[in-house]
Amino acid sequence: RKEVEQDPGPFNVPEGATVAFNCTYSNSASQSFFWYRQDCRKEPKLLMSVYSSGNEDGRFTAQLNRASQYISLLIRDSKLSDSATYLCVVNPSGFNKFYFGSGTKLNVKP
Amino acid sequence: DAGVIQSPRHEVTEMGQEVTLRCKPISGHDYLFWYRQTMMRGLELLIYFNNNVPIDDSGMPEDRFSAKMPNASFSTLKIQPSEPRDSAVYFCASLEGDRGLTYQPQHFGDGTRLSIL
Repeated sequence: RKEVEQDPGPFNVPEGATVAFNCTYSNSASQSFFWYRQDCRKEPKLLMSVYSSGNEDGRFTAQLNRASQYISLLIRDSKLSDSATYLCVVNPSGFNKFYFGSGTKLNVKP
Repeated sequence: DAGVIQSPRHEVTEMGQEVTLRCKPISGHDYLFWYRQTMMRGLELLIYFNNNVPIDDSGMPEDRFSAKMPNASFSTLKIQPSEPRDSAVYFCASLEGDRGLTYQPQHFGDGTRLSIL
């Protein structure tokens, strides 16, 4: 089983829609979680860290569900510029290593 | 603030040649990571350093790959001899690490697009 799994998509949504992605992780002792955004042929860029209590940054909300071992990313009022691949990243406790998901592709259409 | 700086941005070379990729981490960051990304395999961790010391090189594909970090502000990833299957985007990332790896994100450079003909 992979350490981190994501639905590759693509998720095709119209502008203004709300879209959510989940990312499951296998190590129940994982402590750190992040969402990155990667545009085509560019480097991954940190979108937001995911805290136990959940966190929000503008149109973006990240949640952690420890019981079911997944993190989620919610994007409200999608913009064309949100089109990208979204990578989740997990750092299992006691492991000096980060595990990247394979990414979920989002296409926001006019 | 300067981010992670990688060079070259693009490299095209013939198989069998030596390739050297360079990375300057963000000043003050204690961890440096080298990744490779392809369509087929996604983002793969090759090796990472903590305070210039290699900690985990289990992702280095074979002996043709080597990485060094002679000081806190410079690292190289070398492929010798290069093969067409090494064609990929190679990213370097750094992390501050004042609390270890936990809770702190990595910051990526722009990457080097490597094509081996």
